[in-house]
Amino acid sequence: GEDVEQSLFLSVREGDSSVINCTYTDSSSTYLYWYKQEPGAGLQLLTYIFSNMDMKQDQRLTVLLNKKDKHLSLRIADTQTGDSAIYFCAENDSGGGADGLTFGKGTHLIIQP
Amino acid sequence: NAGVMQNPRHLVRRRGQEARLRCSPMKGHSHVYWYRQLPEEGLKFMVYLQKENIIDESGMPKERFSAEFPKEGPSILRIQQVVRGDSAAYFCASSPRSGTGFSYEQYFGPGTRLTVT
Repeated sequence: GEDVEQSLFLSVREGDSSVINCTYTDSSSTYLYWYKQEPGAGLQLLTYIFSNMDMKQDQRLTVLLNKKDKHLSLRIADTQTGDSAIYFCAENDSGGGADGLTFGKGTHLIIQP
Repeated sequence: NAGVMQNPRHLVRRRGQEARLRCSPMKGHSHVYWYRQLPEEGLKFMVYLQKENIIDESGMPKERFSAEFPKEGPSILRIQQVVRGDSAAYFCASSPRSGTGFSYEQYFGPGTRLTVT
């Protein structure tokens, strides 16, 4: 079945770049997403990338997709304390319909002062 | 434009009671998804609905769980005879309709945290 894997924790210094990695198994994934969840809150859609793209940039966020290796990454430039949260990678196999997303378990981003 | 609304935010039920969770999608969104998040886990897809139709319920437990999205009013996730293992955060997401019928942006509500005692 479909599977999305992420490392559980990432610790970075404030001001450095954070790179959160994700691997997935479903070769028919059409869209890949990054969501942010702060404590006690819902998920905030940060960005998504279509599978025929290999990079997408939006302000401090850069998404890289290596479709051959089924590897997705999210880079956050100039990491701030407000970036402290859990980051979820998710994929959607559209197959022509709007299926539910398959999520990884999330990466806890810890910011050191 | 209000986001996805869920209520209640917190719900406590005793074992054997029923839990009803409500979700109002964003204005203009006609697709609703329910997900469950267990502690320290990612979200697991449960069901996908459009108005008056269940499109995909492949993630729903076979017993005690049901969902609906009536013509008028919010979507409801209903859990009958709750057990301790149902304790989790339940998230609803909504999505706009696209011309091809595929909606790739899902926007999440704040969730309902269900505790079964």
